[in-house]
Amino acid sequence: NAGVTQTPKFQVLKTGQSMTLQCAQDMNHEYMSWYRQDPGMGLRLIHYSVGAGITDQGEVPNGYNVSRSTTEDFPLRLLSAAPSQTSVYFCASSSLKLGQNTEAFFGQGTRLTVV
Amino acid sequence: AQSVSQHNHHVILSEAASLELGCNYSYGGTVNLFWYVQYPGQHLQLLLKYFSGDPLVKGIKGFEAEFIKSKFSFNLRKPSVQWSDTAEYFCAVSGGYNKLIFGAGTRLAVHP
Repeated sequence: NAGVTQTPKFQVLKTGQSMTLQCAQDMNHEYMSWYRQDPGMGLRLIHYSVGAGITDQGEVPNGYNVSRSTTEDFPLRLLSAAPSQTSVYFCASSSLKLGQNTEAFFGQGTRLTVV
Repeated sequence: AQSVSQHNHHVILSEAASLELGCNYSYGGTVNLFWYVQYPGQHLQLLLKYFSGDPLVKGIKGFEAEFIKSKFSFNLRKPSVQWSDTAEYFCAVSGGYNKLIFGAGTRLAVHP
């Protein structure tokens, strides 16, 4: 059972470049989300989705786009990378079904450096 | 707005010492509460969670937490820490739609 899979694990970008961080889950979870982790700031929510075709902004959405065309996939796009986006990115998923465990499962993370 | 405050950013203990990490949250409705642990270079793993019922929650690896509604607190405890508990610990709260709000984290270093 793979759980939540993120790719790539490491990435270096130049300022202004674009890229997509991939996230896939095989648990049929409705809820998926992206966080960034920075020292001393914990994890901050970037975007989230409660189901295919539905996305919404979190705490720090600027500079990031998301889409949810399928239940399994929730890619995060950086349109024009900036040094301030250097961070570790985590994808998470959880079930929204009543009575089911609403624990969030996290991917392994993507360490992104923008130079 | 929801928020989570973790009292200590860095904690240093010797093996066998007792641990208590503070967590206070701000939220107006029914909440679910979590403690996650992140070992060096790894992703977050769930230590324990509180949804309802007994406010004293037991998790993995000997950790427990107590939900005190009147104090909006969910402190993490372990009677005797080990070197392998060296990690960063995050308290989190979720309200509707499982949207997790995290505290800033507490780095725990346990010395042999």
